[in-house]
Amino acid sequence: SYELTQPLSVSVALGQTARITCGGNNIGSKNVHWYQQKPGQAPVLVIYRDSNRPSGIPERFSGSNSGNTATLTISRAQAGDEADYYCQVWDSSILFGGGTKLTVL
Amino acid sequence: QVQLQESGPGLVKPSETLSLTCAVSGYSISSGYYWGWIRQPPGKGLEWIGSIYHSGSTYYNPSLKSRVTISVDTSKNQFSLKLSSVTAADTAVYYCARSALERYFDYWGQGTLVTVSS
Repeated sequence: SYELTQPLSVSVALGQTARITCGGNNIGSKNVHWYQQKPGQAPVLVIYRDSNRPSGIPERFSGSNSGNTATLTISRAQAGDEADYYCQVWDSSILFGGGTKLTVL
Repeated sequence: QVQLQESGPGLVKPSETLSLTCAVSGYSISSGYYWGWIRQPPGKGLEWIGSIYHSGSTYYNPSLKSRVTISVDTSKNQFSLKLSSVTAADTAVYYCARSALERYFDYWGQGTLVTVSS
């Protein structure tokens, strides 16, 4: 069965750029979606179909997908970006990555 | 604005059936989209349970398929989850959500904690 691999944690200095990866076999051939989840809250879609931002999501959030790795990039990281981030794909079933905890230092 | 709200018992006994309902407002289920259930055990990641199309066709997570039933009631604009033979491992926050054709979830309920315990 298909698997998605995310780093458990990523740290970024305030104002710098954070990159969260999502690995999977030939993931570049799939549509990858990303969610942000803050403690005690429901997930929020931040990127869909690799690189599209829903309305209301800041331009600081961007996505890319190629080969075996999809990447969520958060530019000019803010304290409010601290959260868990999950990637998700469809592969005959809906699959989520294990999640990455982003810490803004 | 599309809104989803989960409801159901917060405590279920082992071996019994967990039943939850998701009421949708701001959008008519019969107009389209998929409607799904996702759960999150305490301190863990997200797990998709299953989804239903507005027409009633369903698809489930293979690992839960034997225990899951999702149904839709378009007259009440709601859909439901039944998970049978629950164990402590089914303790989780259960979310309902709307998903587009590409299977990403654009609107989520606030989630409801279901604890399996005697």
